[in-house]
Amino acid sequence: DSGVTQTPKHLITATGQRVTLRCSPRSGDLSVYWYQQSLDQGLQFLIQYYNGEERAKGNILERFSAQQFPDLHSELNLSSLELGDSALYFCASSAGQGLNVAFFGQGTRLTVV
Amino acid sequence: DQQVKQNSPSLSVQEGRISILNCDYTNSMFDYFLWYKKYPAEGPTFLISISSIKDKNEDGRFTVFLNKSAKHLSLHIVPSQPGDSAVYFCAASSPTSTDKLIFGTGTRLQVFP
Repeated sequence: DSGVTQTPKHLITATGQRVTLRCSPRSGDLSVYWYQQSLDQGLQFLIQYYNGEERAKGNILERFSAQQFPDLHSELNLSSLELGDSALYFCASSAGQGLNVAFFGQGTRLTVV
Repeated sequence: DQQVKQNSPSLSVQEGRISILNCDYTNSMFDYFLWYKKYPAEGPTFLISISSIKDKNEDGRFTVFLNKSAKHLSLHIVPSQPGDSAVYFCAASSPTSTDKLIFGTGTRLQVFP
């Protein structure tokens, strides 16, 4: 158990819909990262938050947004969903300073039909 | 632009032998490297890391070697066990910037009896 909790584990939704994925980081971790893994490919970095503020942005679509709340949990919002958005979405957390090891949650499998 | 590359998508090794997984990177700003192991339907699990001031780090059966001049790192698993069968991702970060992890595309290791 990494200590990072993601909900829900599975999500099936229709094209055009909007979903919210939730992540609770490990206790004490200030950084939260979101990654997308499509079709057994590599992990694509989407976005990072540190202590409530956006720290880095990767290949995140404009239809996607995220935020980190004062209690440090984070949400990834995916809107106007397309079939190609079907993927595993992972959240990871780290202390956020220095040489970090990021610990991953179990992921949310999103299926867009 | 793939900054972290794992050119071997798969590797098959007999139980008890050495497994060597390779990773190349292009960004000379990376100064921290990590290996993660991933089973199907689970999040990546941290294995071992190395900072750029070292050229070797050992943890039990796992050893990571870093060759900065060649921008190459490798993970050695000795002896390999069937339970090591998984996808292995190498990742790199530049903690002096945003410390987000950039992942390679992964190598699927199969250890057979």
